[in-house]
Amino acid sequence: QKEVEQNSGPLSVPEGAIASLNCTYSDRGSQSFFWYRQYSGKSPELIMFIYSNGDKEDGRFTAQLNKASQYVSLLIRDSQPSDSATYLCAVKLTGGFKTIFGAGTRLFVKA
Amino acid sequence: NAGVTQTPKFRILKIGQSMTLQCTQDMNHNYMYWYRQDPGMGLKLIYYSVGAGITDKGEVPNGYNVSRSTTEDFPLRLELAAPSQTSVYFCASSYSRPGDTGELFFGEGSRLTVL
Repeated sequence: QKEVEQNSGPLSVPEGAIASLNCTYSDRGSQSFFWYRQYSGKSPELIMFIYSNGDKEDGRFTAQLNKASQYVSLLIRDSQPSDSATYLCAVKLTGGFKTIFGAGTRLFVKA
Repeated sequence: NAGVTQTPKFRILKIGQSMTLQCTQDMNHNYMYWYRQDPGMGLKLIYYSVGAGITDKGEVPNGYNVSRSTTEDFPLRLELAAPSQTSVYFCASSYSRPGDTGELFFGEGSRLTVL
């Protein structure tokens, strides 16, 4: 069974700090990796997508991928209270049909 | 565009009852998915489809059935509902064209309680 593992949290950071979220995956052939944000009672929404080793930046968000270590991370700079949500790491498995999710990390940003 | 539409949004079932969760998308996506999310947990893939007439099992298919007769619709059938099927169900779809990111577009979810 292919798996995606995340720190369960909760992770609490002060406003303005950097929040660091981590994820490991078991399917070595996976090529596409996603971070979704989910507010309480809402459906997930995509915030970052990465498929190449290294860093990808989009505004305050940076995704990092290391395929050799099977590790994906998300950094949120200048964290805001509105960033308080659950962050789900997702991996598109080898073959390109199925996307599986980690259990999510709950982030609290304190004003 | 409506995107991905799920019905019903809420439902309470008695043990042993059956029901169908409806999902339709208007984005002409080939790929469609059903996930369930238990409280405080991530999403578990139940079934998926890569096109009309083609379905396959995901991580947790037991107790569920699906069909895909059209590109737009992907209903999820629960037979003999059990308390363990109490969950929030999300339908999602995605493009399958070369170069697409594979982003999943989600419906608003259907909250099911089995008593």
